[in-house]
Amino acid sequence: DGGITQSPKYLFRKEGQNVTLSCEQNLNHDAMYWYRQDPGQGLRLIYYSQIVNDFQKGDIAEGYSVSREKKESFPLTVTSAQKNPTAFYLCASTYGTGSNEQFFGPGTRLTVL
Amino acid sequence: AQKVTQAQTEISVVEKEDVTLDCVYETRDTTYYLFWYKQPPSGELVFLIRRNSFDEQNEISGRYSWNFQKSTSSFNFTITASQVVDSAVYFCALSEDTGGFKTIFGAGTRLFVKA
Repeated sequence: DGGITQSPKYLFRKEGQNVTLSCEQNLNHDAMYWYRQDPGQGLRLIYYSQIVNDFQKGDIAEGYSVSREKKESFPLTVTSAQKNPTAFYLCASTYGTGSNEQFFGPGTRLTVL
Repeated sequence: AQKVTQAQTEISVVEKEDVTLDCVYETRDTTYYLFWYKQPPSGELVFLIRRNSFDEQNEISGRYSWNFQKSTSSFNFTITASQVVDSAVYFCALSEDTGGFKTIFGAGTRLFVKA
């Protein structure tokens, strides 16, 4: 089945530690996205990538880093520089440009202890 | 500037009631795209509909219908005869032609449908 997988579903981290969230898609989509969702708020764009080896900052990129070495994969690293990392993280992909609908993964809930 | 406003934070209805979720957008582009997504308790967003700015025709899909009015910059979503399974958070989103690959999401409306 085609789709987007994110792992792990739940992640706990101690303050000061970096952590990497996985996102893989087998939809052959060029564009991939990372969003952050906080309670009662919409989705805020962290980073996005249109093609392999290229990515752009979204609205809240500080404290995060990404890589796009393969078309299928777009991992997100939450660094210790992110002051308030506890949130729900969603990965998405789309074909073509932003004019098309996005397909979402099941999300990773990150909690900083 | 690009903006999506969903003024209704939470809505609670009883099963079989009709309910309308409001969405108001702001854009300077003449070409843009509007979307609705559903986020059930599991967390994964599910795409419901996409509309481009040149197509104001209303759409109906089963119990779901959408009313797009450029004159009021609104793209409202109505669920007819709501069911418990409709309980979810619903997001309206906007993508501008000049925005490239970026999409802006509203804050979402949480719908509770009680049996």
